Amino acid sequence: DGGITQSPKYLFRKEGQNVTLSCEQNLNHDAMYWYRQDPGQGLRLIYYSQIVNDFQKGDIAEGYSVSREKKESFPLTVTSAQKNPTAFYLCASRDSLNTGELFFGEGSRLTVL
Amino acid sequence: AQSVAQPEDQVNVAEGNPLTVKCTYSVSGNPYLFWYVQYPNRGLQFLLKYITGDNLVKGSYGFEAEFNKSQTSFHLKKPSALVSDSALYFCAVRTISSGSARQLTFGSGTQLTVLP
Repeated sequence: DGGITQSPKYLFRKEGQNVTLSCEQNLNHDAMYWYRQDPGQGLRLIYYSQIVNDFQKGDIAEGYSVSREKKESFPLTVTSAQKNPTAFYLCASRDSLNTGELFFGEGSRLTVL
Repeated sequence: AQSVAQPEDQVNVAEGNPLTVKCTYSVSGNPYLFWYVQYPNRGLQFLLKYITGDNLVKGSYGFEAEFNKSQTSFHLKKPSALVSDSALYFCAVRTISSGSARQLTFGSGTQLTVLP
């Protein structure tokens, strides 16, 4: 079945460590997104990519990095520069239609110990 | 700038009663409006969208939403609530005129609890 796969589902990290969250889609979508979700704050956009080898900063990009070397993959690295990384991270994709809705993965919950 | 407001953090309703989850928006230009649902520790699932045409939009699981341009609202409704409808609901908006892929703004979410 087509969809978006995020891994790992749960991740624990010590302070000062970088971690990479995986996001893979087989929907043949051009655009991919990373959101951060905190209780009571809705979703905030971290990075997005409209095409391979191109990506743009969202509203809260500081302390994060991404790459888009393949259409299917959009990994997110949470660096040690991110001051408060404990959160639920959601990856999404959308087709090129201007009216298209987002398709979301199941999320990755990162906890910094 | 565009924004979405979900004025109620929490909505409680008895099973079998109608439910409404409120959403208002602010955009320049004509909006695309979306509703998503999220169950605990899961991703968001698309429910329905308004692009143009009929102001009453029908979606998944018996949900519908009414677009009201004069009140800039897009409230989510269901005639008879089920306990399984208990979840976190998000309203989102983007503008038709925007060519940028980023122009989707989410509300803060409304926790719906359906009481048996």
